[in-house]
Amino acid sequence: EIVMTQSPATLSVSPGERATLSCRASQSVSTNLAWYQQKPGQAPRLLIYGASSGATGIPARFSGSGSGTEFTLTISSLQSEDFAVYYCQQYNNWPRTFGQGTKVEIK
Amino acid sequence: EVQLLESGGGLVQPGGSLRLSCAASGFTFNTHAMTWVRQAPGKGLDWVSAISAGGSTTYYADSVKGRFTISRDNAQSTLYLQVNSLRAEDTALYYCAKGGMLGSRYYLDYWGQGTLVTVSS
Repeated sequence: EIVMTQSPATLSVSPGERATLSCRASQSVSTNLAWYQQKPGQAPRLLIYGASSGATGIPARFSGSGSGTEFTLTISSLQSEDFAVYYCQQYNNWPRTFGQGTKVEIK
Repeated sequence: EVQLLESGGGLVQPGGSLRLSCAASGFTFNTHAMTWVRQAPGKGLDWVSAISAGGSTTYYADSVKGRFTISRDNAQSTLYLQVNSLRAEDTALYYCAKGGMLGSRYYLDYWGQGTLVTVSS
């Protein structure tokens, strides 16, 4: 199975600052990579699919990049509602796998 | 509007069984693959199982293979997960999620709110 490793585990950022989250796959997943946001007590929400395509209704401050084994989620200017846990997921191989998550917290 | 409503969770003893359901609406159910994802208390997301749009192809995580069975009723727009031989480590919130595109490689574009399964004596 493909292991997805996210870093850092926790990211402390001030509102208005840029946040960069990383996701690494143990083998190539091409661009079959999604990012999800989860707030406390809520279901996950799709942010990015195809490594770089924004899901419907997602603000432009969220962007994704990468291919193969290295991926990045960037939040250009953090808003208060962006403090949450972010997960990457590969959908190239079975079984599908998620990273362990990166918590973005207020600095 | 896409809606996914899970039900069927509860408290069950180790070794017990439950049948989870996910009622879908707001999209053409029989053209989309569906997935179950779980989340243990305070932990991350854990992919469990998936089923093709027609129901003929299923996939499972190694941790549940042989104990869980995914199925669907396209006439009723409902997804199921039969969970047997439950263990303490199966305690989690179980989400159903809709495949975001046609074909075998798909992200999860809509999620339900989950149903809680607690395995304890």
